[in-house]
Amino acid sequence: QKEVEQNSGPLSVPEGAIASLNCTYSDRGSQSFFWYRQYSGKSPELIMSIYSNGDKEDGRFTAQLNKASQYVSLLIRDSQPSDSATYLCAFYAGGTSYGKLTFGQGTILTVHP
Amino acid sequence: DTGVSQNPRHKITKRGQNVTFRCDPISEHNRLYWYRQTLGQGPEFLTYFQNEAQLEKSRLLSDRFSAERPKGSFSTLEIQRTEQGDSAMYLCASSPPGLSPLHFGNGTRLTVT
Repeated sequence: QKEVEQNSGPLSVPEGAIASLNCTYSDRGSQSFFWYRQYSGKSPELIMSIYSNGDKEDGRFTAQLNKASQYVSLLIRDSQPSDSATYLCAFYAGGTSYGKLTFGQGTILTVHP
Repeated sequence: DTGVSQNPRHKITKRGQNVTFRCDPISEHNRLYWYRQTLGQGPEFLTYFQNEAQLEKSRLLSDRFSAERPKGSFSTLEIQRTEQGDSAMYLCASSPPGLSPLHFGNGTRLTVT
């Protein structure tokens, strides 16, 4: 079983729609979850952090964490063409790998006008 | 806060040559990470340091790869006897203590011919 899996892409949504990105992880000891955005040819940049179950909102972005079901999601409201990028989920593993941040393979999002 | 700095930005080398990359983290960050990323994949963990101590190294990492962080400041990643499969973007990131998000540099793109 992979440590982390993101919903397969690419995901294409029209401008103004809601984009929904999902990530599941296998380690129940995982803590501190992050969503990064990566534009083509650039390095990842942090857009959201979430540490406890529930929702966290920041502008047009909402992160949702459900530790019992081992998934974390990212909703982007009022999607804009500038949101077109690869979205990476990441988390800190528990146990002996404390301190190691593991990334998913990424989901490519395209927002078309 | 000048951000994470990586040098060089690009490196082209011939198979069998050794290469060394440098990373200067954000000054107040005590953790430093190295990742490798290939097209269409998420960043793959290589190793990380807390101050000058190398705390974890990927089991997938060949012994041709070595990293150092003398005095807990900048870090170097050396690849010996490069192979074409080493062609990738090498990302450095730093973070403060705890389960904090990582801040990435612009990366070093390695091409092995």
